[in-house]
Order: sequence, then structure tokens, then C-alpha cells
Amino acid sequence: DAKTTQPPSMDCAEGRAANLPCNHSTISGNEYVYWYRQIHSQGPQYIIHGLKNNETNEMASLIITEDRKSCTLILPHATLRDTAVYYCISPRQGAQKLVFGQGTRLTINP
Amino acid sequence: DAGITQSPRHKVTETGTPVTLRCHQTENHRYMYWYRQDPGHGLRLIHYSYGVKDTDKGEVSDGYSVSRSKTEDFLLTLESATSSQTSVYFCAISAGILGGDTQYFGPGTRLTVL
Repeated sequence: DAKTTQPPSMDCAEGRAANLPCNHSTISGNEYVYWYRQIHSQGPQYIIHGLKNNETNEMASLIITEDRKSCTLILPHATLRDTAVYYCISPRQGAQKLVFGQGTRLTINP
Repeated sequence: DAGITQSPRHKVTETGTPVTLRCHQTENHRYMYWYRQDPGHGLRLIHYSYGVKDTDKGEVSDGYSVSRSKTEDFLLTLESATSSQTSVYFCAISAGILGGDTQYFGPGTRLTVL
């Protein structure tokens, strides 16, 4: 798996956009980047994934740099319920196993 | 939400007793996983299955066994529970599409071994 680096914690005001960075400088050309989050004591929840192009779904947007060495997860209008640990993961091509690091603890403040 | 249930949701047991946790899916996905989560360690893979009767070890498989006799059920067994196996256990499933390995997680089982 490509090594990913995330800040251990971030804060964001409610209603603002939360931008969570992730560095993955060793990523291979065919490896995807996945984002999951885990709200306290719940199971991890899939958010979004991408390969090269920017992606958007009902939960978030994913911006991937042109060199694919980093990306940013954007929660456009953060709410208190978005407080969670966010994991950026890049599994090896064909690997079925996800390796979760420590992630970023995002706190949304009222 | 993906159709994944885990049972029991909470269990307290004593050291040396056998324990079986069950994961049930209604999605007919090929791949199923068992993870444990402990403070300071994040999520760690115990075992996974890539089909009926096909399983493989993860990074922390010692002390655990698994079985999958039906597509929808994946059982995790602690033959003789130890206090170090006190943890929260999560099951996950994926369709296993190459390059698109989205995993969907169950609600978790909190196991306490006294």
C-alpha cells in the first residue's frame, strides 16, 4: 500500500468547508485513493474514492493533484455530525485488505 | 446502508472460554473481513474471506479462526479467549472489484474478556 500522511487533528467551524489533506507521494499510477471516516464507536463509513480525476458525491469532493502525490477531501458545509476520524487510504492494486493508519481527527465547532 | 449485521453487539466473557462472533450480509458480496480496533492501534485486519470456504490470514490472526460455509455468513472464533482479545470487532464486506475495493463496515461487536 502507498504510505499516506495526514495531520493528526483539525478544527473547522460549523457551516464552513472542511479541507482535509493527505500526502501519498509513493502512490503508483493504478492505485486509488480512498477516504473513510469513523464517528465515535461506529463502524468506518466509506466516503469517496478516486484515481486521477476530481470526484464529487453527495457527501464530499475529492481533489487530486496532477502529480497524484497528494489529495484533499472537502466537506463543503460541515455540520456537527461530521466530527469524526477521517482516514486516507491507498491500497495496493488488487489488494483486498485495507490498512488503516491513525487518520485525522476532525472536530466541527459550533 | 450496506446490509451488514453483527451479533452479538456486546459480549462479556471469561478468560479461557470459546467465543464466536457472527457477521451476516445481505449484499451477496464475495469478500468479507474481520478487523479489531484498539486504542492507539487503529483498525487491524484479523482474517478475510474471498469466497465460500476460502479464507486467509491478516496481520493479527494469532488466537483467531474463521469459517465461511455460506456466502452471507462469516464467523470469527476465539478458541480460548484471553484478556488481550478485549476489543471492538468490525466486520466488513466488499464486492472485490479490482481497483475499486470499497469496503462497507458493520456496526461492531464490543467484546470484553475478564
